[in-house]
Amino acid sequence: KQEVTQIPAALSVPEGENLVLNCSFTDSAIYNLQWFRQDPGKGLTSLLLIQSSQREQTSGRLNASLDKSSGRSTLYIAASQPGDSATYLCAVQPSGNTPLVFGKGTRLSVIA
Amino acid sequence: DAGITQSPRHKVTETGTPVTLRCHQTENHRYMYWYRQDPGHGLRLIHYSYGVKDTDKGEVSDGYSVSRSKTEDFLLTLESATSSQTSVYFCAISASKTGSDEQYFGPGTRLTVT
Repeated sequence: KQEVTQIPAALSVPEGENLVLNCSFTDSAIYNLQWFRQDPGKGLTSLLLIQSSQREQTSGRLNASLDKSSGRSTLYIAASQPGDSATYLCAVQPSGNTPLVFGKGTRLSVIA
Repeated sequence: DAGITQSPRHKVTETGTPVTLRCHQTENHRYMYWYRQDPGHGLRLIHYSYGVKDTDKGEVSDGYSVSRSKTEDFLLTLESATSSQTSVYFCAISASKTGSDEQYFGPGTRLTVT
C-alpha cells in the first residue's frame, strides 16, 4: 500500500528565506506527483504536477523535483513571502486517473 | 477551479439523519472523487466515479454511498449520519482530457453531525 510522508509537519521561517519542503513515498511505481496549497478553511489549489517521466517542474518562485527511484519529491520556494503561509500537501497518483494518495501536509508560516 | 461547485457549503445535522452532498462540474470530466479531510488523518478517499453509473469504493467508504446519473453531478449520501462523519468533504475531478490527469478540487463542504 502506497504511503506518503511529509516532514516536517510544521515550519516557520523569516521572510525572504529560500526553503525546501519534503515528500517521500513508499512505492516508486507512480504515475505522477502533485503539490497542492491549502489556506485555512479553504480548498486545495494545485501548484505543480510532475509526470513520472519528468525530473522537475517550475512555476514562478516554485520548483518541484521528483526522484522516483528514491521515492522522494521536494518543493523549493524561493524568496519566501508572508503570503506563502499555508499548508502544502503532496499527493501521488499510482496510475492514470486513479485517486490520489496524500501526505498529511507541512504547515508553513513565513514571518515578516 | 475547473468549474467545480459543492453544495451545501456548510451543514449541521443530527445523528441518524440522512444527508446528501452534491458535487457539480461544468467541463464534462469523466473522473470524479469524494475525499474527506480530518485533523491527523489528512485527505482520504471515500468513493470515486469513472463514468455515469460507474463508481468504486475508497479507503473509508463505510457509511457512505454515491450516485452519478449525469456526467456533471456526483452525489455523496450519508444514509444515517454519525458523529464520526463530522468532517470537511472535498470533491475533485481529474482533468484527463488534457492528458495530464491533474486533479482539481472543489471548495469543500463542512459537515457537523451533532
